[in-house]
Amino acid sequence: DTGVSQDPRHKITKRGQNVTFRCDPISEHNRLYWYRQTLGQGPEFLTYFQNEAQLEKSRLLSDRFSAERPKGSFSTLEIQRTEQGDSAMYLCASSLGGRAREQYFGPGTRLTVT
Amino acid sequence: GQQLNQSPQSMFIQEGEDVSMNCTSSSIFNTWLWYKQDPGEGPVLLIALYKAGELTSNGRLTAQFGITRKDSFLNISASIPSDVGIYFCAGLGSGGSQGNLIFGKGTKLSVKP
Repeated sequence: DTGVSQDPRHKITKRGQNVTFRCDPISEHNRLYWYRQTLGQGPEFLTYFQNEAQLEKSRLLSDRFSAERPKGSFSTLEIQRTEQGDSAMYLCASSLGGRAREQYFGPGTRLTVT
Repeated sequence: GQQLNQSPQSMFIQEGEDVSMNCTSSSIFNTWLWYKQDPGEGPVLLIALYKAGELTSNGRLTAQFGITRKDSFLNISASIPSDVGIYFCAGLGSGGSQGNLIFGKGTKLSVKP
């Protein structure tokens, strides 16, 4: 039983550069979520997809952030023109149908913007 | 906006002791989830609660969904060193969102061997 996977696990980038993260959900999970977590805080919701459709976006998701899930399987989160404040752990989670409230998280991508 | 207050923020306990932590909200939640997170890893789901008053166990862990739907409790019995980590409560509200989990700030558990 393969869990949620994320790639890369760590990313160091310079301010102003673009970065893209990938998330592969648990097989057959139709919902996929992105969260951001900073040190000492709980995860904060960014956005979620049901199949290919992006159904909800947080105010935290500024214009520099874009997420896609083109075929309803894996998802990508892109951050353009990164800022130091974007440094955080980016977490992906997935859930299935009727038990959509149980979200299973991946290991996260740690982003450091220098 | 909805916020969760989690307490205590941290605790040190002797191995073998029981642990209690709780989470309160100013708003009603329809679902309470408890997660454990180790350093550098994602949160791992421990227990899910769906009904007010519900009491659910997972091994040495027991969690309850408060009657008022504004709080939840997690108990760990006979703690062991591998219980070390940060425990988060998370709630899913009744405001129409189907995905927006609200997390507390966590309770950091440290066990003295």
